[in-house]
Amino acid sequence: QLMETGGGVVQPGRSLRLSCSASGFTLSDYVIQWFRQAPGKGLEWVAAISIDGSRKYYADSAKGRFTVSRDNFANTVALQLTSLRPADTAVYYCVRDPGYVGVDWLDIWGQGTLVSVSS
Amino acid sequence: DIQVTQSPSAMSASVGDRVTITCRASQDIGNSLAWFQQKPGKVPRRLIHTSYNLQGGVPSRFSGSGSGTEFTLTINGLQPEDFTTYYCLQHNSYPWKFGQGTKVEVK
Repeated sequence: QLMETGGGVVQPGRSLRLSCSASGFTLSDYVIQWFRQAPGKGLEWVAAISIDGSRKYYADSAKGRFTVSRDNFANTVALQLTSLRPADTAVYYCVRDPGYVGVDWLDIWGQGTLVSVSS
Repeated sequence: DIQVTQSPSAMSASVGDRVTITCRASQDIGNSLAWFQQKPGKVPRRLIHTSYNLQGGVPSRFSGSGSGTEFTLTINGLQPEDFTTYYCLQHNSYPWKFGQGTKVEVK
């Protein structure tokens, strides 16, 4: 399973660091995708990081403010959120991706961590 | 960037009905479209990948079709547990994009 931590309530303009950890499989064998879902809204893809961490991709809403990183020795992936806005309020999910579309592609999601941006 | 338009945003149906949800991509994405089901308060569940490949454990009443720019999720014989929200996802190229979602409600 996957588990996200680090969510919470934060004021606009502040930062948060989300972490994603795995149990039952090796995180470093997978691309990690980040998705989010604002309260009562649809799903949104946020960012992705390749297995070796050399390639990173971001949604337009995340570019320049969010940074995805990974530490394969520690078996964790992080999503650094900066310059947060009320529109970033959402549940953030990390999801595993083997790098090809198959049986275990996007099959395991964390339970999500809620980020609430409010003054 | 590739945009995805999902329709309808909501629909009413009855148990046993055949339901069709459509996603259109703004450019050719081959077969790179997946379908997810999300129940209230739950994590999304992948139903179909690569347009028509059913995830293991997903009932055969669910099927996907399409390629290029137009895709369809069909539920043949709607069951009570199917009344929930469905999303498509284009994964042909980054940035990935979800459709806006379709809520299937009881008529």
